[in-house]
Amino acid sequence: GAGVSQSPSNKVTEKGKDVELRCDPISGHTALYWYRQSLGQGLEFLIYFQGNSAPDKSGLPSDRFSAERTGGSVSTLTIQRTQQEDSAVYLCASSPGGGALYGYTFGSGTRLTVV
Amino acid sequence: QKEVEQDPGPLSVPEGAIVSLNCTYSNSAFQYFMWYRQYSRKGPELLMYTYSSGNKEDGRFTAQVDKSSKYISLFIRDSQPSDSATYLCAIKSGSEKLVFGKGTKLTVNP
Repeated sequence: GAGVSQSPSNKVTEKGKDVELRCDPISGHTALYWYRQSLGQGLEFLIYFQGNSAPDKSGLPSDRFSAERTGGSVSTLTIQRTQQEDSAVYLCASSPGGGALYGYTFGSGTRLTVV
Repeated sequence: QKEVEQDPGPLSVPEGAIVSLNCTYSNSAFQYFMWYRQYSRKGPELLMYTYSSGNKEDGRFTAQVDKSSKYISLFIRDSQPSDSATYLCAIKSGSEKLVFGKGTKLTVNP
């Protein structure tokens, strides 16, 4: 596709349930990033994938969060046993890799609400 | 001290005004400086980037970096209602991660 596609656009889940968020990056982009945007908190880095290298997971807030990227393309962010503080907009971005000098291209995000 | 500080506003100006948006940062290793614009319920989109001190101009937008003061600015001339959005500064060091400011919400009133 022409841009970064994320699904679902909105997700309401009950506390304690698991959720999966999907990101389809721009074709040919080797780098993929997940960020979380909470009200008043700005964008918080979660995880970064670059090609076949081991992902940089340094931003994941707890072991309830995990992500994978299959075939160097689509990525799934999984949150287990969701908590109310997980409510946020989860943004995926991709870049051509080799340095984010030209910035990322973001998707429109998944708005997660945990009730 | 947070790595990047940005006044969240909100900022409200009349159409045609000059807007100044600012960020400060703490890590002198930061090398690349970007401004993103985010419309409501959309992802951020890259507006401008620069990697050196000084000014960079693109149409009505000017990005300014002062590395000695660790201060970056975005100026919008002849602001339009369509400029109403949240503006985020983003800074990067040698790693691949961008560090974002919290964003400043701007409203340009017709």
